[in-house]
Amino acid sequence: RKEVEQDPGPFNVPEGATVAFNCTYSNSASQSFFWYRQDCRKEPKLLMSVYSSGNEDGRFTAQLNRASQYISLLIRDSKLSDSATYLCVVRGYQKVTFGTGTKLQVIP
Amino acid sequence: DTAVSQTPKYLVTQMGNDKSIKCEQNLGHDTMYWYKQDSKKFLKIMFSYNNKELIINETVPNRFSPKSPDKAHLNLHINSLELGDSAVYFCASSLGVGGGLFYEQYFGPGTRLTVT
Repeated sequence: RKEVEQDPGPFNVPEGATVAFNCTYSNSASQSFFWYRQDCRKEPKLLMSVYSSGNEDGRFTAQLNRASQYISLLIRDSKLSDSATYLCVVRGYQKVTFGTGTKLQVIP
Repeated sequence: DTAVSQTPKYLVTQMGNDKSIKCEQNLGHDTMYWYKQDSKKFLKIMFSYNNKELIINETVPNRFSPKSPDKAHLNLHINSLELGDSAVYFCASSLGVGGGLFYEQYFGPGTRLTVT
């Protein structure tokens, strides 16, 4: 089993739709979790950290389920500008692992 | 006021050459990283330095040698370049090596290396 797994997609969704991505991790001792966004030919940028109780930032909601070892990202009211690859990141002491990313394409 | 910068942005070179990529961060972070992103877009960590000390050294050919003259700089030197080294190399930094939520990483713009 890979340390961090994501469905590569692509997820093709119409504007205004709600879309959700999951990311599973294998190390139960992992300490923190993040979602990054990477646009084509650009560097990854932090989208949001994932708090234990879940957190929301505008149209984006992140959840953590430690029992089942996954995190999720929900995007509401998708915009064309949300089209990108979303990378899940799992972190422990002196260790950080990126998922392979989920590609989202929002279509008009 | 760029937080993490890399030079050069593009590097085209021939097999067998030696090249260096430089990285600098002005965030006051203690930890810096090198990642390789290949054509399949998988982002793989290569090295990590904390306060100039090597703490992560993944399975990377020893043709790759990182050097950290101070905690704001982490350079990557590559000897005897091969076709398979063609990729985008990203530098990143974080506050420290801890596992908590404070330790998110900030990435440089990447160096696109093409070996011909």
